[in-house]
Amino acid sequence: SAVISQKPSRDICQRGTSLTIQCQVDSQVTMMFWYRQQPGQSLTLIATANQGSEATYESGFVIDKFPISRPNLTFSTLTVSNMSPEDSSIYLCSVSGGRAGETQYFGPGTRLLVL
Amino acid sequence: RKEVEQDPGPFNVPEGATVAFNCTYSNSASQSFFWYRQDCRKEPKLLMSVYSSGNEDGRFTAQLNRASQYISLLIRDSKLSDSATYLCVVTNLGNMLTFGGGTRLMVKP
Repeated sequence: SAVISQKPSRDICQRGTSLTIQCQVDSQVTMMFWYRQQPGQSLTLIATANQGSEATYESGFVIDKFPISRPNLTFSTLTVSNMSPEDSSIYLCSVSGGRAGETQYFGPGTRLLVL
Repeated sequence: RKEVEQDPGPFNVPEGATVAFNCTYSNSASQSFFWYRQDCRKEPKLLMSVYSSGNEDGRFTAQLNRASQYISLLIRDSKLSDSATYLCVVTNLGNMLTFGGGTRLMVKP
């Protein structure tokens, strides 16, 4: 299994500002994933972050709003830009594991509240 | 129609009860199936994989019916500590996960 940490664990931000969330993994991984979990809802994949290439975004998510960096095989950042109250959510990073990469290990999440 | 659908609950059951959750998926090409557990204010964690032949782990039994495209989770002898949200997860090509909305279980003394 992988041990994943995220910073910050929570934040309260003003609308119009940006927040960068960091994700650190204790082992080298090819792909890292960023999810959003809105209040009372399940997880939605935002993008897949590959080291050395641009992130791949899912439908409904764009790079200008959620720029992602992946400078090495153990680290990634997700920025939530020009925030609005609708961005209030939990943001989780994850990596694949298991024998065939079919298991997903999640970080503890970043709880964001936008006022 | 959502790709993975679950009854959101909550299911309120007494300790010791048996409870079952179902989940349906729309993509017949889905490849792998899982149940994840998410405790309140925590991240999801893998509970068990689901195979066509069925999968049992202690008090938990998972079943997959590919013909009807549904997955089930049975919990026997419920404990207070089983209270959580149970997420049905399906993977398609490339191991991309799709999460159901989750089913909330409350086990009461």
